[in-house]
Amino acid sequence: DTAVSQTPKYLVTQMGNDKSIKCEQNLGHDTMYWYKQDSKKFLKIMFSYNNKELIINETVPNRFSPKSPDKAHLNLHINSLELGDSAVYFCASSQVSGGYNEQFFGPGTRLTVL
Amino acid sequence: EDQVTQSPEALRLQEGESSSLNCSYTVSGLRGLFWYRQDPGKGPEFLFTLYSAGEEKEKERLKATLTKKESFLHITAPKPEDSATYLCAVPAAGNKLTFGGGTRVLVKP
Repeated sequence: DTAVSQTPKYLVTQMGNDKSIKCEQNLGHDTMYWYKQDSKKFLKIMFSYNNKELIINETVPNRFSPKSPDKAHLNLHINSLELGDSAVYFCASSQVSGGYNEQFFGPGTRLTVL
Repeated sequence: EDQVTQSPEALRLQEGESSSLNCSYTVSGLRGLFWYRQDPGKGPEFLFTLYSAGEEKEKERLKATLTKKESFLHITAPKPEDSATYLCAVPAAGNKLTFGGGTRVLVKP
């Protein structure tokens, strides 16, 4: 009965490679998000999708491309990986219609770029 | 731009030693304030939402309060299992959360 799930949990890859992270939520929420947590543990928003529509796109390199095939899924594709992309990436979801409601987070994907 | 600052960065407590964590915020209009707990290697776990000054919420040994400029998370008689990083966040337009840097709490038996 996992609410927000992500795969993979760990991702180790070489510089220059392309990789994807998948996220699924079974809470019936209308909005999903990607956050990045750096080595100093600071959590920062990257993207959000509401009903498959891109709502938030922070100043993220265009090597990062989110895709939402339906409102229960939000994937993150990263091209030409760089050392600085190493971080933990969290997916989250919330129900936005009706107000500013709490977001529920997945377990995270630890990306290590060598 | 919204800003959230948490203090202290780290807190070491003896089991049973009550304490408070601070979350100061600067926002154009408060739409709510969230508290999360994060254990090592895991995602943030939702604890509380506070929407207006004067509001309080409680859960077991935790109590969150809100004023117009800050929020406090009080930990009463903590146990070792309360050891975690506690994060506060405020939502902005589009419901994007701006997080503070967190307070790492270690409760020793």
